[in-house]
Amino acid sequence: AQSVTQPDIHITVSEGASLELRCNYSYGATPYLFWYVQSPGQGLQLLLKYFSGDTLVQGIKGFEAEFKRSQSSFNLRKPSVHWSDAAEYFCAVGASVKTSYDKVIFGPGTSLSVIP
Amino acid sequence: KAGVTQTPRYLIKTRGQQVTLSCSPISGHRSVSWYQQTPGQGLQFLFEYFSETQRNKGNFPGRFSGRQFSNSRSEMNVSTLELGDSALYLCASSLGDSLNYEQYFGPGTRLTVT
Repeated sequence: AQSVTQPDIHITVSEGASLELRCNYSYGATPYLFWYVQSPGQGLQLLLKYFSGDTLVQGIKGFEAEFKRSQSSFNLRKPSVHWSDAAEYFCAVGASVKTSYDKVIFGPGTSLSVIP
Repeated sequence: KAGVTQTPRYLIKTRGQQVTLSCSPISGHRSVSWYQQTPGQGLQFLFEYFSETQRNKGNFPGRFSGRQFSNSRSEMNVSTLELGDSALYLCASSLGDSLNYEQYFGPGTRLTVT
């Protein structure tokens, strides 16, 4: 079964600084990879996804992520963080082969704080 | 277009009781997935329904069940509630299966079991 790890439980960055959130996955085949954001009191929103093709994926709100098969990573980046980016970020991986217990599996999340 | 709605938003139940949560997907969406979110376990997949059929299920006990109606609305039921069932239950809808189509999440139902 697939699994996802997000090594950083909490990250604090200054507004205007660059951001990189780490995500590592475990899955034998080519995974479906996602990044979601959950703002306080709001539901999850998809930032971007990777299925195949170009390994650098552009998403909404100025985010991008790069799929590196050799490192089993799918890190999320943003060149300049805004105060409104403070939220919980979830990396997720999906199985490309339907099994009973493999579906979209979410990582534990990284909480991002932004200081002015 | 209205988003995913979940009712009720908050619920308090006692151990041993059962509960039914409801999810109305975005109009035209045929797939509904349910997730449980807790501080300790994070987001865990419960099950997915597509055109009234359960397509996939997570690793949860049989006390957790669900169904989908012909209008794509979905309900999940938890019987014999345990303290550990206290969580935020999220519903997500998509046009098709949740791998190939974007999932849109509702605000969730906060269930507290006392």
